[in-house]
This record gives sequence, structure tokens and C-alpha cells, in this order.
Amino acid sequence: KAGVTQTPRYLIKTRGQQVTLSCSPISGHRSVSWYQQTPGQGLQFLFEYFSETQRNKGNFPGRFSGRQFSNSRSEMNVSTLELGDSALYLCASSRGTPLTDTQYFGPGTRLTVL
Amino acid sequence: QKEVEQNSGPLSVPEGAIASLNCTYSDRVSQSFFWYRQYSGKSPELIMSIYSNGDKEDGRFTAQLNKASQYVSLLIRDSQPSDSATYLCAVESGTYKYIFGTGTRLKVLA
Repeated sequence: KAGVTQTPRYLIKTRGQQVTLSCSPISGHRSVSWYQQTPGQGLQFLFEYFSETQRNKGNFPGRFSGRQFSNSRSEMNVSTLELGDSALYLCASSRGTPLTDTQYFGPGTRLTVL
Repeated sequence: QKEVEQNSGPLSVPEGAIASLNCTYSDRVSQSFFWYRQYSGKSPELIMSIYSNGDKEDGRFTAQLNKASQYVSLLIRDSQPSDSATYLCAVESGTYKYIFGTGTRLKVLA
């Protein structure tokens, strides 16, 4: 069974640009969550999607947005990039059932903002 | 802001010893708790999940949960150098939302 895949694996952008990251979940998983990981803040929750609907979101500015398609693939977009957006962006997929759900992480996209 | 606290370490233990990793959380209504292992440069991988008070054992790993004290721990028996990694505690905080601690770096000395 294929794992969670993320593209691209590495990105270099400059301040003010925008970026789109992609995540393909494990087959049969309908929930996709996005996280930002930095050395200082650790893993921080961005948002979660299930069946094309955002069910929860973290405390990030509106520059961070996401969407999910009917095949459960998800994208996240960051507009007007800032230096502080440099991080590893991880997506995780799960079946989406509450309480006993298990998340499986993708390899991440390393974003560098210059 | 709901929080999950972990000692950043590094926690150094000799090979064959028991490593004890601890985590406290602030959200009293949390129901689901997870331990992830993250090797340097890799993504987190799930080790254990626990939902009820008490101990849950899986091979060399034992997760312990005490909801009254808002405390989760992970014990690694017979620690091996390959266990050297950062261990992340995650707590469900609101439906479909998980809060992660910043992780404890474990070093197992051969």
C-alpha cells in the first residue's frame, strides 16, 4: 500500500511570492491534515480536510489556505511569503473517524523563503 | 491556547536501559493521545496510541496515561542505538485537531 506522497519535496521562493504544495493521501483515507514544522515551534497544526470540507483549523494567518479535491488529494497555498514561513510542511492522512483515528505522515515539503 | 509540554532533552540512556519520556497536556477534555518517533530529516511515524487510563504495551514500548494528572508517558525497554530519535507527544484537542509537543531528543549510548 503506497504511503502519503507530497510534492514538491523542496522549494525555494522569495518574499512576497506565493506557493502551492500538494499532498496525496493513502488510498482509502479521506482526511488530510497539514502541519508546519520549525525548530523553534515544533509541529503546528494548520488545518484538516475531510470530503472536501475544512473541519478544523489552527492559529495561522489567512495567507495560509487549503483545499481538498474529490479524490481526497489536498493542496495548501501560502500567499505573500514571509521569511518566517520557511519550514517543513507535512501532511498527514487518516480515515477521518474521530477519537481512534491514526495519522500517517508524508515525507514533507521543505520550503525556503529568501 | 491548549498546550502539550515535553522536556526537550537530550535524554541520554545506555544501551539496554529503560528510557522514560514524559508529556503533560492542558486540555482536560482530550481523549486521544499518541507517541510519534521522528528521525533526523524524516517525517514522524506513529509508535503508540492510547485512549484509556492505564498502561498499553506493544513490544518494547509501553504508553501510560493518567487523565486526572493530565500526563502521558512512553517507556522504551531494552533501549537500542536505533531508538535514538526525537519523540513527539500528540494530543487530540478539539475534533480532528492534534496538538504536538516540541519533542524529546533521545540518545541511546552504545
